[in-house]
Amino acid sequence: DIQMTQSPSFVSASVGDRVTITCRASQGFRTWLAWYQQKPGKAPKLLIYGASNLHTGVPLRFNGSESGTEFTLTISSLQPEDFATYYCQQANSFPWTFGQGTRVEIK
Amino acid sequence: QVQLKESGPGLVKPLETLSLTCTVSGVSISGHYWSWIRQSPGKGLEWIAYMSNSGSAEYNPSLKRRLTISLDTSRNQFSLTLRSVTAADTAVYYCARNIGMTALNYWGQGTLVTVSS
Repeated sequence: DIQMTQSPSFVSASVGDRVTITCRASQGFRTWLAWYQQKPGKAPKLLIYGASNLHTGVPLRFNGSESGTEFTLTISSLQPEDFATYYCQQANSFPWTFGQGTRVEIK
Repeated sequence: QVQLKESGPGLVKPLETLSLTCTVSGVSISGHYWSWIRQSPGKGLEWIAYMSNSGSAEYNPSLKRRLTISLDTSRNQFSLTLRSVTAADTAVYYCARNIGMTALNYWGQGTLVTVSS
């Protein structure tokens, strides 16, 4: 199985801050990575697929990129509605696996 | 508008069988790929299984020997059956629609299943 390691596990940030979350794969692959946002008691919502493709309706402040085995989610200017937990997910090979999550909280 | 809704028992006894159904509206189930995912209380996400519109399936090896998923195109539903459950199977179970084999773009609200006697 491909293990996905997210960092950091926790981010304390203020509205307007730039936030970067990284996901590193235990095996190299390209492109087949997605990012989700989950709020307490709710289902995850897709933000990014194919490493850098913005899902329909997702604000442009969310950006995904890849470099080698490392994938990055960047929120360019954190908004109040962005405080949530973020997960990466690899779809390169079965079983699909998720990172352990990064919780973004208000500073 | 695509909507998914999970249904099933909220409580299952240990060693019994858990059966869940996902009812899809707004799109034909036969035109897309579908997945089940679960999340144990306070924990992260675990992908369970995937089924294509042709009926081919992929299962998480950690659950494969206890797991069956299927499509019912006449009812626009897909289902999950997990046998011999234990407390470790207590989780919120989600159904979701795939973007092909790349990501999960529509999710149900989730249903909490507790395994307890």
